[in-house]
Amino acid sequence: NAGVMQNPRHLVRRRGQEARLRCSPMKGHSHVYWYRQLPEEGLKFMVYLQKENIIDESGMPKERFSAEFPKEGPSILRIQQVVRGDSAAYFCASSPQAGWTDTQYFGPGTRLTVL
Amino acid sequence: GENVEQHPSTLSVQEGDSAVIKCTYSDSASNYFPWYKQELGKRPQLIIDIRSNVGEKKDQRIAVTLNKTAKHFSLHITETQPEDSAVYFCAAKNSGNTPLVFGKGTRLSVIA
Repeated sequence: NAGVMQNPRHLVRRRGQEARLRCSPMKGHSHVYWYRQLPEEGLKFMVYLQKENIIDESGMPKERFSAEFPKEGPSILRIQQVVRGDSAAYFCASSPQAGWTDTQYFGPGTRLTVL
Repeated sequence: GENVEQHPSTLSVQEGDSAVIKCTYSDSASNYFPWYKQELGKRPQLIIDIRSNVGEKKDQRIAVTLNKTAKHFSLHITETQPEDSAVYFCAAKNSGNTPLVFGKGTRLSVIA
């Protein structure tokens, strides 16, 4: 059973470009969560999605950031017009059932570097 | 909203000794408390979790205790080994559609 997959693992962008991060949840999981981790810091919640629905986006900046989880294909976190402060590791996690008490399994992360 | 404090931020122990990491939470409605281990450059991996209907849970050398009255929970690692060296994160959430809130992490170093 493949775990949570993320790609790319490393992404380098220049200021002003777009970054597109992909997350494929574990087989049988329909809930996806995105977190951001700055160096030497903890994990900050960004957004929670189910298929075709955003459930909670309270941790995601209103400007430049968007997320989707289409009926088919991976979840995508999109950052437009990136700035140096967007440099971080972005992790997604998935869980199998409705309800936040279910265990979340993390992907390997995408390390975004903005030059 | 929920706030999770984690202490200490760094911890060094001799191989074979025990390590204890403590977390406090603010939301009395929180009822799920996982612990994750993150090695350098790797993903956070769940090592143990506890729900509020139990006070303690053990898995080999790892145990977690929960004190709902005081709103704190702790991770205990016994007979530490060098491969236990990593950053450990606690987290908390309630049963509603609310986020998993993480502590800032504890960097554990096990000295051989």
